[in-house]
Amino acid sequence: EIVLTQSPGTLSLSPGERATLSCRASQSVSSDLAWYQQKSGQAPRLLIYGAYRRATDIPDRFTGSGSGTDFTLTISSLEPEDFAVYYCQQYGNSLTFGGGTKVEIK
Amino acid sequence: QVQLQESGPGLVKPSGTLALTCTVSGGSIRHYFWTWIRQPAGKPLEWIGRIYSSGSTNYNPSFKSRVTLSIDTSKNQFSLHLTSVTAADTAMYYCAGEYSYGSGIWDYWGQGTLVSVSS
Repeated sequence: EIVLTQSPGTLSLSPGERATLSCRASQSVSSDLAWYQQKSGQAPRLLIYGAYRRATDIPDRFTGSGSGTDFTLTISSLEPEDFAVYYCQQYGNSLTFGGGTKVEIK
Repeated sequence: QVQLQESGPGLVKPSGTLALTCTVSGGSIRHYFWTWIRQPAGKPLEWIGRIYSSGSTNYNPSFKSRVTLSIDTSKNQFSLHLTSVTAADTAMYYCAGEYSYGSGIWDYWGQGTLVSVSS
C-alpha cells in the first residue's frame, strides 16, 4: 500500500498569507495525485487532480505541483473561506489518502 | 447537476451488519465508478471500495473480508454492506462518484451519513 504523509499537520496563518502544504508518497505515483478541501461538517471537495490540474470552478489561487513522490499544494493568498483541512489522495496504485493538513487562522 | 444521497440506519449493534445505500440523481449511474469512503470523527478519510455500473468491484484490502458493494442501475442506487462491525467502524460514511475526471478522482460526493456502532 502506498502511504501518503502530509506536512505540516497544522498550519497557522493569517488571511492574505501564502500557504504551502506538502504531500510525500512512499513510492512513486507519477502524477496520479489529487487534493481535496474539507470544511467542518462538510464532505470533501475536489480541488486538484493530475497533480496540477484544477477542477471546475476552483480559483486560481490554488496551485498544485510535483510528481513522483513529492507534491505541493500552494494557496497564494488565503481567503477566509480557505481555512479548512486539506487531504492529498493518490490513485496511481489502489487508492489512499494522506492524513491531512489543517489550515487554521492565526 | 449530479447529486448523491446516503441513507441507512444510524445505529448498528456490534457484530452486526452495516448497510447503506447511495441514491444518484441528476445523472445516470451507468458507465461510471461509484465509491464508499468513511471518516471516523477527527480522523482522515479512508477508502472502502468502489463498484462499476457493470458490478465489477475493487476493495480496500483492509476491508476485503467484511465488505460487499452492490449496484442497482434500474434504481440508480449502489449499496455498502459491512459485516462483523465493531466500535472502530463508527464513522461518517460518504458515497462519491468518479464522474468527470477519470478513475479514482471523486468530483461528486454525498453529504455523508453518521453510523454509530453501539449496543
